[in-house]
Amino acid sequence: AQSVTQLDSQVPVFEEAPVELRCNYSSSVSVYLFWYVQYPNQGLQLLLKYLSGSTLVKGINGFEAEFNKSQTSFHLRKPSVHISDTAEYFCAVSDMGAGDMRFGAGTRLTVKP
Amino acid sequence: EADIYQTPRYLVIGTGKKITLECSQTMGHDKMYWYQQDPGMELHLIHYSYGVNSTEKGDLSSESTVSRIRTEHFPLTLESARPSHTSQYLCASRTGRAEQYFGPGTRLTVT
Repeated sequence: AQSVTQLDSQVPVFEEAPVELRCNYSSSVSVYLFWYVQYPNQGLQLLLKYLSGSTLVKGINGFEAEFNKSQTSFHLRKPSVHISDTAEYFCAVSDMGAGDMRFGAGTRLTVKP
Repeated sequence: EADIYQTPRYLVIGTGKKITLECSQTMGHDKMYWYQQDPGMELHLIHYSYGVNSTEKGDLSSESTVSRIRTEHFPLTLESARPSHTSQYLCASRTGRAEQYFGPGTRLTVT
């Protein structure tokens, strides 16, 4: 079985500053990795995914993440955040078989003016 | 992009009532999921289905039931709602590449 740990429950940052949201996972098999964003009173929207190939993955809204197999990490980064990036961010992992997904507890990103 | 719909978006109901939360998707995905999420908290899988007439319980024990009579439709039913059922319920469906697409959610309040 897989598990996901998001190392920061809350990340406050000023507008136009860079941000990194940290995610570590554990699994005995090869996995797919995902980042989702959730705005208030909405469902989850896929930001980006790592399935195979290049370890640097680019997603929507200027976000990117890097898969590090040796450190079992998949940290999310953005070089310059906007007020509109304020939301809850979830890291998720699924195995390559059945594909059932495990989610982290979420990181609340708050961008201040 | 998958189209997945949930109704109602918000529901306030009294204790003991029977409710059904609707979830439909138009992408022909075989796999569908129900998650329960308390505000600001992680998602917990409560039910999933791998196709028509297939339903399984998830990791989190739930008093709800589901059915999958048609590929596109995956309703969740609570026979007798209780205040402990107050939560947000998210429906998702999955592509062959493992990413899940989520509906907007139903926020349920049981008084």
